[in-house]
Amino acid sequence: QQPVQSPQAVILREGEDAVINCSSSKALYSVHWYRQKHGEAPVFLMILLKGGEQKGHEKISASFNEKKQQSSLYLTASQLSYSGTYFCGTVLNAGGTSYGKLTFGQGTILTVHP
Amino acid sequence: GAVVSQHPSWVICKSGTSVKIECRSLDFQATTMFWYRQFPKQSLMLMATSNEGSKATYEQGVEKDKFLINHASLTLSTLTVTSAHPEDSSFYICSARDRFGAFFGQGTRLTVV
Repeated sequence: QQPVQSPQAVILREGEDAVINCSSSKALYSVHWYRQKHGEAPVFLMILLKGGEQKGHEKISASFNEKKQQSSLYLTASQLSYSGTYFCGTVLNAGGTSYGKLTFGQGTILTVHP
Repeated sequence: GAVVSQHPSWVICKSGTSVKIECRSLDFQATTMFWYRQFPKQSLMLMATSNEGSKATYEQGVEKDKFLINHASLTLSTLTVTSAHPEDSSFYICSARDRFGAFFGQGTRLTVV
C-alpha cells in the first residue's frame, strides 16, 4: 500500500527550512528516505525503525511517530544542492523484517533558489 | 552504506530484441534484491523481488515471462526484458538491502526504438 507524501512540491530560497511528511494507513516496520536528482537513481538518506525515533545528519533529519504510521523529513537552512525529488519508502509491519517489500510514496519535488 | 552497481547505465535497442540488465552488490551478500521501474515524473514502482536460488516474486500486473529475473548468486541479480517494445522504455533500478537500509544501483535507462 503506497504511503502518501505531502506536500507534492516545495519552493524555497537558500537558507529556508522545509518539512516533508509521509503517512501510512497501516503501522509500519520502517521508513526509508531518499533524494533523487533528475536522471539519477535515488540516494539513501536514512532509515527509521523505532516509534518515536529521531535521527539526522548535518541539516537533514527525520522523525518517526510513536504509532509508526507517520514520518517527517526536516531540511534546515536549505542549500542549492538539496533540490531534487524526495521519496519516502515504507515497509509494512505485518510480521515483516527489515528486508520486506519497500513501497514508495509519490514523491515531493523540492526546489531551492539562490 | 552498501554499494550496489548496475550495468549498463543506458541502452538503446530495437523493438523485438531482448536486453539484460545486471545488478551487483559489491561489498555485501544480498539474498534478496528488488527491481523497480520508474516512468518520467513518477514514483518508483516495484516490479519484482529477486530471491537467490529460487524464483522471483512478481508484483501484480508485471508479466513474468516478459521480465525474466535470475538471482544466481548472492551478489548478482539480472533482469532480462524480452521482446522489448517501445512501451517498455523506462528507467529500471535495482535495490539491495543490508541491515542499514536499502541501496540503489545507478539505474538503467532503456530506450526501445
